[in-house]
Amino acid sequence: EAQVTQNPRYLITVTGKKLTVTCSQNMNHEYMSWYRQDPGLGLRQIYYSMNVEVTDKGDVPEGYKVSRKEKRNFPLILESPSPNQTSLYFCASSLLGTSLGEQYFGPGTRLTVT
Amino acid sequence: RKEVEQDPGPFNVPEGATVAFNCTYSNSASQSFFWYRQDCRKEPKLLMSVYSSGNEDGRFTAQLNRASQYISLLIRDSKLSDSATYLCVVNAGGYNKLIFGAGTRLAVHP
Repeated sequence: EAQVTQNPRYLITVTGKKLTVTCSQNMNHEYMSWYRQDPGLGLRQIYYSMNVEVTDKGDVPEGYKVSRKEKRNFPLILESPSPNQTSLYFCASSLLGTSLGEQYFGPGTRLTVT
Repeated sequence: RKEVEQDPGPFNVPEGATVAFNCTYSNSASQSFFWYRQDCRKEPKLLMSVYSSGNEDGRFTAQLNRASQYISLLIRDSKLSDSATYLCVVNAGGYNKLIFGAGTRLAVHP
């Protein structure tokens, strides 16, 4: 089954404790992206990657890191989480070019930073 | 001004009603357009692409007006299962990037 998986689905942590949210896709997609979703603001892109070892900042990259060592995986790292990073996070993947708009999303990770 | 703007709603309609949502975008170089559907606390899913000539998929019709820089989604014969948030999505012209609107919430009641 074609899918994007994220782990964990729910996470409560404390300020400053490093965490990683994993994302994996099995569709051989070149493009992968991380978004955060906050009420009234919609989905905002954090980072994206167009292929292995190619990553770039989205609209709200501060406080986040990513890596793309393998095509299927695109982990999101919060080195020192803060309460303003409490949000719903989605990973997504797609082919490039005209298929970019056909994004497949993971189920989401609800993060709370206290 | 936001790059993609939508009326947040909610639109409360009875079953069987016809409802339309509009979405405006600010970047005239935008090249492709989409509607996504998002159920409460779930991931967004592609509903349909929006083509220049307009397109229809069953009860759903999408239209693009480049001159006025808006896209629309029309839902005919609304079902209870259509209750969701509808996200307008625009491919920022020349960039490998999608801009998401904040969404319009639709509630269909019996």
